[in-house]
Amino acid sequence: EADIYQTPRYLVIGTGKKITLECSQTMGHDKMYWYQQDPGMELHLIHYSYGVNSTEKGDLSSESTVSRIRTEHFPLTLESARPSHTSQYLCASMPSGTHNEQFFGPGTRLTVL
Amino acid sequence: QKEVEQDPGPLSVPEGAIVSLNCTYSNSAFQYFMWYRQYSRKGPELLMYTYSSGNKEDGRFTAQVDKSSKYISLFIRDSQPSDSATYLCAMNTGNQFYFGTGTSLTVIP
Repeated sequence: EADIYQTPRYLVIGTGKKITLECSQTMGHDKMYWYQQDPGMELHLIHYSYGVNSTEKGDLSSESTVSRIRTEHFPLTLESARPSHTSQYLCASMPSGTHNEQFFGPGTRLTVL
Repeated sequence: QKEVEQDPGPLSVPEGAIVSLNCTYSNSAFQYFMWYRQYSRKGPELLMYTYSSGNKEDGRFTAQVDKSSKYISLFIRDSQPSDSATYLCAMNTGNQFYFGTGTSLTVIP
């Protein structure tokens, strides 16, 4: 079983609040990813990182930011939550040198009222 | 046009049946082809991956890739109730992953 953790697992918050979704992995993987998953929809890439101090934007990045100060930690921040941010957020990691073995965390289910 | 197309189902089969799950894609640059299984309220877990056209078998699971038709399949033999989950296909060009929408499978005891 992959050692990748996400907290909180569930979050209900009001509009306009700033929130940070945490993701940590203990496998020493260089590559980390944030995806958004909605029912019946494909996973959409929000941000990714290939190592410490490296971050890149995906398709849905405009309303969120990430940081990668430590290899094991890749938090996602929404500066001002809106109801349209209600979704499942999945964090994943992958070791360097592979192109297919992404390991996913359990996800954070976010509801913005 | 989506990069990856996957029939969302839902698919319901009796225990012991052979299940066939499929995806089509449009980008001939895709190099790796993966199948993930996702149980309710969990993250996806990698089941199998293939790199080239052909078949790859792992226990009751067989992954098949036909690059000429841009078509991939996952076969589940002797399906079990524990196989009930959503199955996601995914493929990549090396750096970025593209996922299907997932097929919901229920195996009835």
